[in-house]
Parts: sequence; C-alpha cells; structure tokens
Amino acid sequence: QVQLQESGPGLVKPSGTLSLTCAVSGGSISSSNWWSWVRQPPGKGLEWIGEIYHSGSTNYNPSLKSRVTISVDKSKNQFSLKLSSVTAADTAVYYCAVLIAAAGTAPYWGQGTLVTVSS
Amino acid sequence: QSALTQPASVSGSPGQSITISCTGTSSDVGGYNYVSWYQQHPGKAPKLMIYDVSNRPSGVSNRFSGSKSGNTASLTISGLQAEDEADYYCSSYTSSSTPYVFGTGTKVTVL
Repeated sequence: QVQLQESGPGLVKPSGTLSLTCAVSGGSISSSNWWSWVRQPPGKGLEWIGEIYHSGSTNYNPSLKSRVTISVDKSKNQFSLKLSSVTAADTAVYYCAVLIAAAGTAPYWGQGTLVTVSS
Repeated sequence: QSALTQPASVSGSPGQSITISCTGTSSDVGGYNYVSWYQQHPGKAPKLMIYDVSNRPSGVSNRFSGSKSGNTASLTISGLQAEDEADYYCSSYTSSSTPYVFGTGTKVTVL
C-alpha cells in the first residue's frame, strides 16, 4: 500500500518561498501516476495546485502557475513543491496526493502539513 | 475552472438516508467516470469514500454509495450515524484549464 508523507517548514515569512517534500513509500514514484499537490486554507475548501509525472512533465493551476514549481527526485522516491512570493493567503494545509490512480486503483493522500505565512 | 456545485449543508436523523449532489458540466462530471468523494472531519485529512463514481475503497462502510446521472454525481449515506457528521467533498477529472476540480463542500449534520 502506497503511503505519502509531507515534510517541510511550518512557518514561512511573507515574500519568501514555501518548500515542501512528499516522500513516497510502499511504491515507486516511477509508476504510472501523476503526483499532485493540493491545499486547503483554514476553514475553506480544497484547491489543486499542480502535478508531476516521473518523466518530469508538469501541469499547474493557472491561478498559481507563475509562482509554482514542482519537481521529482526519482533517486529519493519523492517529489517537491516550491511556491514563491508567498503571502498570508497562502497559509493552508498542504497535501500531496494521487487523485486518479493507475490501473483503476484507489486514489491516495498524505496526512497534510500546515504551513503558516507570517513574519 | 469553476468548482463543482454542492449543497452547503445536508442533515438527517440517525438511521435515515441522505444524498449529497455534486453538479458540474460535460467537461468534468458528465464527461468522465473519475468522480471521487471525500469525508473530512475537523482537523483531519480528507478520507476517500468513493472513487471512479461508484467504487468503494477497502475498509469503507457499504453504507456509502456513489452514482452519476448526466452532469451530476451523488453520494448517498444510508443508515446515518453520528460518526458520519463531517464535511464532504467531491472531485472530478476535467478537460478544462486544470485536470482536476473539487466541489464546494457539504457539511453533513446528524440531528
């Protein structure tokens, strides 16, 4: 059973860069899945940020595209998120997830990590 | 890409059945069988309840079922229990500007 675990700083200063990593265990990041980042501001709904394939191909939410970079490290079986020029509006719980899994298997998510943007 | 439309709240008494709707367009819900439903308790990560419109992951109670008609997907909870009180979100693959879209969320209250 594949498990995802997010990690990274819980506090980022305004105008700084948010950096998170998602470690994949119990499976290979080189499988036929697109690996996503999703966020949820406190008290609000879910927002898809972007995704990456093991080849390095990416798709981003147009509303965040200018500030987002998602990368993959196959040697460490993990993928990462960088969000630049953050403001308080970027305060949220950030999840890594596979939203549509290969071969008709069930989607899966990490437990999420809260990132607060504050000075 | 606009969010899928869900009712803000749905309530029911223990033992009753309730249905949550998730309305999209032919570019998302209506066009693909990639609708998922998530349950989220306060402070917790979303938990997958239904995927690919009507498939239930291992370990999820058979009181939860999913269906789709046209551009609207539905989640039915039968035999409502106190533990079902939570927020519920739908999601769908979409051919629009982003490959995925989430619903607006529904708060389920057990009376």
